[in-house]
Amino acid sequence: RKEVEQDPGPFNVPEGATVAFNCTYSNSASQSFFWYRQDCRKEPKLLMSVYSSGNEDGRFTAQLNRASQYISLLIRDSKLSDSATYLCVVGGYSGAGSYQLTFGKGTKLSVIP
Amino acid sequence: DADVTQTPRNRITKTGKRIMLECSQTKGHDRMYWYRQDPGLGLRLIYYSFDVKDINKGEISDGYSVSRQAQAKFSLSLESAIPNQTALYFCATSAGEGYQETQYFGPGTRLLVL
Repeated sequence: RKEVEQDPGPFNVPEGATVAFNCTYSNSASQSFFWYRQDCRKEPKLLMSVYSSGNEDGRFTAQLNRASQYISLLIRDSKLSDSATYLCVVGGYSGAGSYQLTFGKGTKLSVIP
Repeated sequence: DADVTQTPRNRITKTGKRIMLECSQTKGHDRMYWYRQDPGLGLRLIYYSFDVKDINKGEISDGYSVSRQAQAKFSLSLESAIPNQTALYFCATSAGEGYQETQYFGPGTRLLVL
């Protein structure tokens, strides 16, 4: 059973395009949601948290639908520097009772000149 | 200087050898984690520690052990390395601020077990 599922891509888009990534999660009791960015051969870094009301940070917009257990990330006006793998991350309590993050496998984005 | 450092950055070892991966942080965070990342599998939690006296198993702890020597140091050991432990290993820290807290990752250690 995959707890956090993402389309692995790759998504190859031209500069200036708008691209959307989707993610679904299986644990309805999940309590926090994030998008992390991972550049090739580098560590993951937080891109943005995702709030129930939806939130925006510049060209990036994240949405959460708790009823459908669905998270999205929209990137507008894509830049070459946006090329990376985007990880959908969900936080919740494990069976042992501690709070943990569960990572999706990531969606690879390549922005083409 | 990086807030979360890992040593070594790359390591090649042979089956059956004992190796230790080390993680240090200057962020003053109480919580530290060890993950492994494999192609096509994403990040998986090996062990985590919420303070110096607290050690917990993650999703895939078999074959690994950890030591929290100080608030700033968390080491991962492979007692007898095997080829399927070949992976990219990340240490991470967090401040324990609640559900929306960020985890900060080190640069990773690439391990190859022959």
